[in-house]
Amino acid sequence: SQQGEEDPQALSIQEGENATMNCSYKTSINNLQWYRQNSGRGLVHLILIRSNEREKHSGRLRVTLDTSKKSSSLLITASRAADTASYFCATDTQGAQKLVFGQGTRLTINP
Amino acid sequence: KAGVTQTPRYLIKTRGQQVTLSCSPISGHRSVSWYQQTPGQGLQFLFEYFSETQRNKGNFPGRFSGRQFSNSRSEMNVSTLELGDSALYLCASSLTGLHEQYFGPGTRLTVT
Repeated sequence: SQQGEEDPQALSIQEGENATMNCSYKTSINNLQWYRQNSGRGLVHLILIRSNEREKHSGRLRVTLDTSKKSSSLLITASRAADTASYFCATDTQGAQKLVFGQGTRLTINP
Repeated sequence: KAGVTQTPRYLIKTRGQQVTLSCSPISGHRSVSWYQQTPGQGLQFLFEYFSETQRNKGNFPGRFSGRQFSNSRSEMNVSTLELGDSALYLCASSLTGLHEQYFGPGTRLTVT
């Protein structure tokens, strides 16, 4: 079963707009990561946020973590066509020692 | 620095056959994890190897097995293939295992 669930499942926006996707999880985590996958290829690591952190930035990416609500959000600002991809959150839970991925959000950036 | 490589990239097998997939991690990475990705089940963790030892295992039947060599290269084997084993198999390497995994391009397995 999936630990993380992304919302929305699909998102389509215009180039230049901001894209926000959310991830909810069920059990306490050590860390939460976001990955990007382009059309059936390998995943690319974007950012890791630890359970004791609330917000993290990397370039045009902003990730927030709310452990009380067991949720995280990924914001991509000033979107570009190259951001078109599927985005996955992945959690490693206390005691489980493995990464569990959500179902992903498919993001489409329209020119 | 070379990325994670997986061979072969595409494979077509028949039900009942077995298959071996190979993964070469980034130089210096001792952890290799394997995942199965399907449209229905998403990304599911198969197992993780660290310094030639299986450290973690997902909820897959014993038909799925793997190993890691002293140079950190890893192989996974699936015996008695079933139609439901058709998937993209991804391997990922990292320094520690759980953080910042680097993925290969995957092996697309089709079972007919």
